[in-house]
Amino acid sequence: LAKTTQPISMDSYEGQEVNITCSHNNIATNDYITWYQQFPSQGPRFIIQGYKTKVTNEVASLFIPADRKSSTLSLPRVSLSDTAVYYCLVGPRNSGNTPLVFGKGTRLSVIA
Amino acid sequence: GAVVSQHPSWVICKSGTSVKIECRSLDFQATTMFWYRQFPKQSLMLMATSNEGSKATYEQGVEKDKFLINHASLTLSTLTVTSAHPEDSSFYICSARRTSTDTQYFGPGTRLTVL
Repeated sequence: LAKTTQPISMDSYEGQEVNITCSHNNIATNDYITWYQQFPSQGPRFIIQGYKTKVTNEVASLFIPADRKSSTLSLPRVSLSDTAVYYCLVGPRNSGNTPLVFGKGTRLSVIA
Repeated sequence: GAVVSQHPSWVICKSGTSVKIECRSLDFQATTMFWYRQFPKQSLMLMATSNEGSKATYEQGVEKDKFLINHASLTLSTLTVTSAHPEDSSFYICSARRTSTDTQYFGPGTRLTVL
């Protein structure tokens, strides 16, 4: 699985848009980019997955440039409840029997 | 759909005792489940891959005789921490692979505290 690099932490005020960038220089042709969110003392929760360009759902948007060597998770108008650790993973679309490998993630703190 | 549960959600035990943690896929079959461990302020670390009806595959550095894994059915995997010590105190998380869609879903985690 391709290695990923994310900022260790970010701070934001409520109501702002937060963009978390992930670098994955060695992404393979068939790899997808998946983001997970983890609250303290809870299991990770799937947020969004994409292959190229832009993907949007009710929670976030994912921007992937043409070279796919990086991606940006965009959280619109964050609230205090968005304080969590966000993990960027790169691998096959459906991981199947391959375990998901988590990097250090980005600890987002939303301030009132 | 695609709910994974863990039981117990938290447990406190004395040093030297054994603790069993259950991971269940509630509404789907899971031939493969994974067990992770997470220490405070750290990321999830894969411990082992649990396959229904066969022996688990352990990651390097994880003692198979200490962390016993049993995947006896398509909806249940158990992790038993034997002769627990305070350094085993951690947050244990399982994930289950939904066979029909080939995607993974995480359980809510189990907080183990060994006194």
